[in-house]
Amino acid sequence: NAGVTQTPKFQVLKTGQSMTLQCAQDMNHEYMSWYRQDPGMGLRLIHYSVGAGITDQGEVPNGYNVSRSTTEDFPLRLLSAAPSQTSVYFCASAGYSRIPTYGYTFGSGTRLTVV
Amino acid sequence: GQSLEQPSEVTAVEGAIVQINCTYQTSGFYGLSWYQQHDGGAPTFLSYNGLDGLEETGRFSSFLSRSDSYGYLLLQELQMKDSASYFCAVRDPGDDKIIFGKGTRLHILP
Repeated sequence: NAGVTQTPKFQVLKTGQSMTLQCAQDMNHEYMSWYRQDPGMGLRLIHYSVGAGITDQGEVPNGYNVSRSTTEDFPLRLLSAAPSQTSVYFCASAGYSRIPTYGYTFGSGTRLTVV
Repeated sequence: GQSLEQPSEVTAVEGAIVQINCTYQTSGFYGLSWYQQHDGGAPTFLSYNGLDGLEETGRFSSFLSRSDSYGYLLLQELQMKDSASYFCAVRDPGDDKIIFGKGTRLHILP
């Protein structure tokens, strides 16, 4: 019973490189999302999905892509990394019908540094 | 659109009671949630208020007033392990986005 699994936990990228942050959940949750967390800025929504095949933009989507081909997986792609994307990234999931009553389950986070 | 306002920091003494406020502006409203995050950790869900009034879970309680667009988290019998950041969050029923406040850092003095 893993919950929400994010990989990698740490990553250093050079400016201009691309990469994919992985997120998988084993709770059959319909709702998944990606947030970034920067000091003093709280959690800002990047992209979210209410089910397989459906994605939508959040508050800060520029520079990121997502796809949702299965219920379990929700990868986040950085197209061309920039220093401004240095942040801690959290993936979260919830059973759609339960939002927000039972709340999100968060992954442990990915700490990304772009140099 | 939505916005939430929380104090950036609150300080209290071990064993005391502390209240963390959250005011929100939303086009629609499905209730207010609260999360706790310790340094270096992931946020964890604490409570949810869909209707006006007080919800109690052990030492933690959460209150909502929809007419005032206001809620708060009340922590009683503070312990050092309660030192953390606390976030309020709302869901927009129009587009299903879940938006968080910037968080309140709770400092507890011995």
